[in-house]
Amino acid sequence: KQEVTQIPAALSVPEGENLVLNCSFTDSAIYNLQWFRQDPGKGLTSLLLIQSSQREQTSGRLNASLDKSSGRSTLYIAASQPGDSATYLCAGGPVGIKAAGNKLTFGGGTRVLVKP
Amino acid sequence: DVKVTQSSRYLVKRTGEKVFLECVQDMDHENMFWYRQDPGLGLRLIYFSYDVKMKEKGDIPEGYSVSREKKERFSLILESASTNQTSMYLCASSLSPAEQETQYFGPGTRLLVL
Repeated sequence: KQEVTQIPAALSVPEGENLVLNCSFTDSAIYNLQWFRQDPGKGLTSLLLIQSSQREQTSGRLNASLDKSSGRSTLYIAASQPGDSATYLCAGGPVGIKAAGNKLTFGGGTRVLVKP
Repeated sequence: DVKVTQSSRYLVKRTGEKVFLECVQDMDHENMFWYRQDPGLGLRLIYFSYDVKMKEKGDIPEGYSVSREKKERFSLILESASTNQTSMYLCASSLSPAEQETQYFGPGTRLLVL
């Protein structure tokens, strides 16, 4: 069974510092990887999706990499701001046929606090 | 703009009641999902559907059922609510069943079962 782990569970950095968030998964064979942001009491907002054939994706200050051989993904947030404070979740899913249903397995999340 | 809506943000029900949670998406997505989120346990998939009238069990389907009569609507049903079903429920949708697509989430329904 696929397992997705995010360490650390919480992270606090001063404003302006770069953030590095880690995600590891046990089954690297067929994975796509998504990163989400969740604000307290709210739903999830998709940040980046890395297809299984890709190694990284970038959007603004965000960059996510995927290394299937080592079973790892990393989310980098450059020049962090207080508005980046949130919980960040990674989730992996199989490439697949209809029956796979695009099921995602989520990590437990990393709660980030960016201090002004 | 992508939009997934859920019928209630907060809900309080009594043990034994039948509970309906509704989710609607306006993006013509084929896939729809129901998750629950609990502290320390993360998000867990309850049920998903990749087509109208099609449903598949997720990781924790016990005590739940679902209905998808129309493409845009996916309902989660708690046949007889219990206190251990107190949780945050999140609905999501994605475009295609064949490839991994971004999942879009609704705002969530926080359910309290007394």
